Amino acid sequence: EAGVAQSPRYKIIEKRQSVAFWCNPISGHATLYWYQQILGQGPKLLIQFQNNGVVDDSQLPKDRFSAERLKGVDSTLKIQPAKLEDSAVYLCASSIPRPTLFTYEQYFGPGTRLTVT
Amino acid sequence: AQKVTQAQTEISVVEKEDVTLDCVYETRDTTYYLFWYKQPPSGELVFLIRRNSFDEQNEISGRYSWNFQKSTSSFNFTITASQVVDSAVYFCALTLVFGNEKLTFGTGTRLTIIP
Repeated sequence: EAGVAQSPRYKIIEKRQSVAFWCNPISGHATLYWYQQILGQGPKLLIQFQNNGVVDDSQLPKDRFSAERLKGVDSTLKIQPAKLEDSAVYLCASSIPRPTLFTYEQYFGPGTRLTVT
Repeated sequence: AQKVTQAQTEISVVEKEDVTLDCVYETRDTTYYLFWYKQPPSGELVFLIRRNSFDEQNEISGRYSWNFQKSTSSFNFTITASQVVDSAVYFCALTLVFGNEKLTFGTGTRLTIIP
């Protein structure tokens, strides 16, 4: 079974430029997550989709970050304009929607390492 | 709000030694799940174990074992007879049963196994 795919793996941009990341979840996984992992920290959820609807985007800096999952499969995360503090690894994860009182593990992609100079 | 604390930033042990990674969590909810993930140098987070708040039974899986104690809000992870391939960053995480499945991660423990 193919895992979560992400591209690109690495990206270097200058501040104020824009960048986009792509994620293709595991087939059949309706729930998709974008996490930001700053060096030396644990991942922090940016946005969660259930199919093509947003479940939680409370920690997404909406003035510069946007994300979409138009057909309920792959997703794109965009930053415009980028700031120095956006340098991080952006991880995409997917999971099966859970039944009551249970939760499935999330499967993570390899991440995109963004460096803003 | 939930919080996960991994006080050990870095640990180094010699190969074949046992090592325990500590995890302490905070939540007001009584129903939750705890996880351990491994992040090797490749960067991909790999799921290791899931434990729900109703089940305090400790678990052993090969060289790995987990000690869950609700009384101390801890979910510690032990690797027995460590190997070089165990070198990675290990994350403890928590999610609420009656929530949106968001994982709250600790800051991670970098484990280095010295050959």
